[in-house]
Amino acid sequence: AQSVTQPDIHITVSEGASLELRCNYSYGATPYLFWYVQSPGQGLQLLLKYFSGDTLVQGIKGFEAEFKRSQSSFNLRKPSVHWSDAAEYFCAFAPSGAGSYQLTFGKGTKLSVIP
Amino acid sequence: KAGVTQTPRYLIKTRGQQVTLSCSPISGHRSVSWYQQTPGQGLQFLFEYFSETQRNKGNFPGRFSGRQFSNSRSEMNVSTLELGDSALYLCASSLRRANTEAFFGQGTRLTVV
Repeated sequence: AQSVTQPDIHITVSEGASLELRCNYSYGATPYLFWYVQSPGQGLQLLLKYFSGDTLVQGIKGFEAEFKRSQSSFNLRKPSVHWSDAAEYFCAFAPSGAGSYQLTFGKGTKLSVIP
Repeated sequence: KAGVTQTPRYLIKTRGQQVTLSCSPISGHRSVSWYQQTPGQGLQFLFEYFSETQRNKGNFPGRFSGRQFSNSRSEMNVSTLELGDSALYLCASSLRRANTEAFFGQGTRLTVV
């Protein structure tokens, strides 16, 4: 079955520390991969995406993610976290075949930042 | 460039009633998808519309329906509301149906009492 797993429900980091949020997917081929961020009561904002090509992708707000096919992973990283990064982060994938656009989301990782 | 607009932002309905939510996609985007977000189930796909046709549907009962108009605006309807329908309903628009990203609106918070 197609699925996305985010193993960490809640992560707390100190401001200025580095961050890595984990994401693993289950899909028969290489999917399209995304990271979204959601502040309380708000919609989802796209941080970055991977379709093909360079496996290290850069996004907004200083985030990057690396696609590792062998590990079926797409982990999100940031070298130095800011207090404003506190939010919930969702990893998602869409099938890579044409004619089907449906996002499957992980359960999310809530990030708390200690000043 | 305006983003995805969802109206209303908040709704309170009584069990048994019906509700209609609206979504205006980004200009030029032709694909609109709907998602339900609850604390227990997370984000779940409801359905996708493209060129006024439902292309894909998630695992939800027939009480959940939708449509898309010629200007790509979309509405979703939930009939005979149940307490469990309380959720944040998110609309996403995409330029096309593949090899593209989805942009989300702020959502409509539906509370069923």
